[in-house]
Amino acid sequence: NAGVTQTPKFRVLKTGQSMTLLCAQDMNHEYMYWYRQDPGMGLRLIHYSVGEGTTAKGEVPDGYNVSRLKKQNFLLGLESAAPSQTSVYFCASSLSQTGELFFGEGSRLTVL
Amino acid sequence: AQSVTQLDSHVSVSEGTPVLLRCNYSSSYSPSLFWYVQHPNKGLQLLLKYTSAATLVKGINGFEAEFKKSETSFHLTKPSAHMSDAAEYFCLEAGGTSYGKLTFGQGTILTVHP
Repeated sequence: NAGVTQTPKFRVLKTGQSMTLLCAQDMNHEYMYWYRQDPGMGLRLIHYSVGEGTTAKGEVPDGYNVSRLKKQNFLLGLESAAPSQTSVYFCASSLSQTGELFFGEGSRLTVL
Repeated sequence: AQSVTQLDSHVSVSEGTPVLLRCNYSSSYSPSLFWYVQHPNKGLQLLLKYTSAATLVKGINGFEAEFKKSETSFHLTKPSAHMSDAAEYFCLEAGGTSYGKLTFGQGTILTVHP
């Protein structure tokens, strides 16, 4: 039972490069979320999705795009990476708006 | 807007002594509240959740939390700290007026001394 899987776990980018983080869940959850975690700032919501084909902006969406073409996958894209996007990114999913969040192990991104 | 305040950024205790991690929420609705734990370089794991059934909620590893509506608090406690409890703890509020959005506290780092 994999739960929530994030790939890749580590990535180093140069400023201006693009990349995509993949989040996959096998629990048939409707809700999926992307957070970034920075020291002293807790977890901040980037984008979220309440179902296949839908996405919405969170607290810090600038510089990121997302897609939810399949219910089990939620992709986070950086079109032109900036050093300010150096962070640890967590994906989470839940069955309902008020249900338990299940987290992936995180993806550590460094932008030089 | 929802807000969650964890009143201490760092808490330090000795092994075997009680733990208290404080969390205040802001929603005037009946919220769903959670405590999560994050060990170094790991994802977040659910400790316990409150969903309006009982005000005292028991979680894993001996942790519990009490929902107090009059104080808008959901403090996390454990009678006796263990070295393995050293981690960062997050309080989370779900639902309320922010559809689809969850509100995390800033986190509390718990240090346990031998």
